[in-house]
Amino acid sequence: DTAVSQTPKYLVTQMGNDKSIKCEQNLGHDTMYWYKQDSKKFLKIMFSYNNKELIINETVPNRFSPKSPDKAHLNLHINSLELGDSAVYFCASSPSGTTTDTQYFGPGTRLTVL
Amino acid sequence: AQSVAQPEDQVNVAEGNPLTVKCTYSVSGNPYLFWYVQYPNRGLQFLLKYITGDNLVKGSYGFEAEFNKSQTSFHLKKPSALVSDSALYFCAVTGGGNKLTFGTGTQLKVEL
Repeated sequence: DTAVSQTPKYLVTQMGNDKSIKCEQNLGHDTMYWYKQDSKKFLKIMFSYNNKELIINETVPNRFSPKSPDKAHLNLHINSLELGDSAVYFCASSPSGTTTDTQYFGPGTRLTVL
Repeated sequence: AQSVAQPEDQVNVAEGNPLTVKCTYSVSGNPYLFWYVQYPNRGLQFLLKYITGDNLVKGSYGFEAEFNKSQTSFHLKKPSALVSDSALYFCAVTGGGNKLTFGTGTQLKVEL
């Protein structure tokens, strides 16, 4: 009964490649997010979508492009991967995207760029 | 801009003793405060949140947190620590919109 799931769990790739991470939530939530956790465990939001519409787009390189085919899915595509993209990427969801919502996180995808 | 500070990188406590993990915040407007826990190689798990009302908030696994508006603090507490509580704890705030801003995390180590 996984609430927020991500695939793959681990991703190892070469610099310059393009890769995607998928996220799905079965909680019936309207809002989904992508966060990046760096090697020092610092967590920062990248994007959020509400009902397939982009709401938050932090200062993230254009190489990162989120896509939400429906409100239960939010994928993250990364072009031309760089060493600095190595991190753990977390997907999250919340009921309606309001300020007081609790966000529920997926297990994370550890991306290693060689 | 909103921010959260967790002044301690690591907190060590003996099993059975009370624990406190500190958090202070800065936000314009009403603060909505959250605590999450991250076990090794796992995602973040929600512990508790303060929205309004009683300053003492009770959450999962016996944790509670005290909201103090005058000190802009939201410290996480547990009366009796367990070895299984050892993990990385994050304080977070939303002050406008749905953007969660996290602190830098505090590693809690509970020893026998």
